[in-house]
Amino acid sequence: AQSVAQPEDQVNVAEGNPLTVKCTYSVSGNPYLFWYVQYPNRGLQFLLKYITGDNLVKGSYGFEAEFNKSQTSFHLKKPSALVSDSALYFCAVRGGLTGGGNKLTFGTGTQLKVEL
Amino acid sequence: DVKVTQSSRYLVKRTGEKVFLECVQDMDHENMFWYRQDPGLGLRLIYFSYDVKMKEKGDIPEGYSVSREKKERFSLILESASTNQTSMYLCASTRQGLSDTEAFFGQGTRLTVV
Repeated sequence: AQSVAQPEDQVNVAEGNPLTVKCTYSVSGNPYLFWYVQYPNRGLQFLLKYITGDNLVKGSYGFEAEFNKSQTSFHLKKPSALVSDSALYFCAVRGGLTGGGNKLTFGTGTQLKVEL
Repeated sequence: DVKVTQSSRYLVKRTGEKVFLECVQDMDHENMFWYRQDPGLGLRLIYFSYDVKMKEKGDIPEGYSVSREKKERFSLILESASTNQTSMYLCASTRQGLSDTEAFFGQGTRLTVV
């Protein structure tokens, strides 16, 4: 069974400092990994994905993520945090074909709080 | 502008009622998903569908059923609503292939069962 772990319920960072939100995964076969962001009372918005290729993936709003196969991790990063980055962040993994479908599994989410 | 639309933002139902949550996507996606979101538990997969009339159970299917009669529409059914089904419900869709694989989400339906 595939799974995603986000070990931190909340991450606090000062504006202008770098941020990291951690994610580890478990899946059979090649992983397809995603980060999403959720603002209050909204659906999830796609940030970035890793399918294949370079281990450092760049996405929306200055975010990037580093895929590490040996550590089965896909940590989200940003060099300089903004107060407007404060939101709930979800990591997700898509497994291989299952009965013709592609199951998408999410972590429990990490609340990012950026303070002045 | 691509869209996943859920029929209601807020819904209040009584215990024992049959409840239908509707989701429509206009992207011709093969895969559609229903999740529930609860604080501290993240998104948990209830059911997903990879084609018309095809469905697979997710991680928490008990108390729910689904229907996919047309490619663009995926319905979640609570056969007899209970208070522990009070939650935020999110619908999503994706393509089948390896490209354009990100999921698109609806705005969510906050269901309260009283």
